[in-house]
Amino acid sequence: GENVEQHPSTLSVQEGDSAVIKCTYSDSASNYFPWYKQELGKGPQLIIDIRSNVGEKKDQRIAVTLNKTAKHFSLHITETQPEDSAVYFCAASPTFGNEKLTFGTGTRLTIIP
Amino acid sequence: EADIYQTPRYLVIGTGKKITLECSQTMGHDKMYWYQQDPGMELHLIHYSYGVNSTEKGDLSSESTVSRIRTEHFPLTLESARPSHTSQYLCASSPGGNTIYFGEGSWLTVV
Repeated sequence: GENVEQHPSTLSVQEGDSAVIKCTYSDSASNYFPWYKQELGKGPQLIIDIRSNVGEKKDQRIAVTLNKTAKHFSLHITETQPEDSAVYFCAASPTFGNEKLTFGTGTRLTIIP
Repeated sequence: EADIYQTPRYLVIGTGKKITLECSQTMGHDKMYWYQQDPGMELHLIHYSYGVNSTEKGDLSSESTVSRIRTEHFPLTLESARPSHTSQYLCASSPGGNTIYFGEGSWLTVV
């Protein structure tokens, strides 16, 4: 089955700086890669996703890049703000549907004011 | 904001007790899911449903059971709780495709 590794497990960034979280996956059949943000006491929320036919996707201060050859994808947050502090999860899925979503172990991002 | 609700949010219960975690969504989604998440760890799918009267087991084996008698309701039951069941349980629903909405979770502690 799919195995998703996520690094780093914790990340502290000065406010205004950029943060990068990286994930690798093992199943070459995976073609959907979402990122979720989980704030304290809440469920995960989708913040951005990318499909295998695209190398990069951007939404305001958030971007995701995908390297299918190397089987890794990354989340980039620019101009970080205190409200970006949360746990971020990457995931990978080989199908169009959520039953085969495999999650990474999460990155706790802390923005230092 | 997704309209998916979980109760109770926090529960401390003794070993051997039966518990039911409730999950309701008002979006009319056919697909619903239960995930288990230990603190600081990844989410693991334990149950899912494609619609009324449909229930399937997820990748992570679980002693819990689920039912789907109504579209909006997907309760999870543990017949005899044990300390190893201590975890956060997240309910989710989907209108289809890869879009998924999570509830805020139920924290279960079995003592």
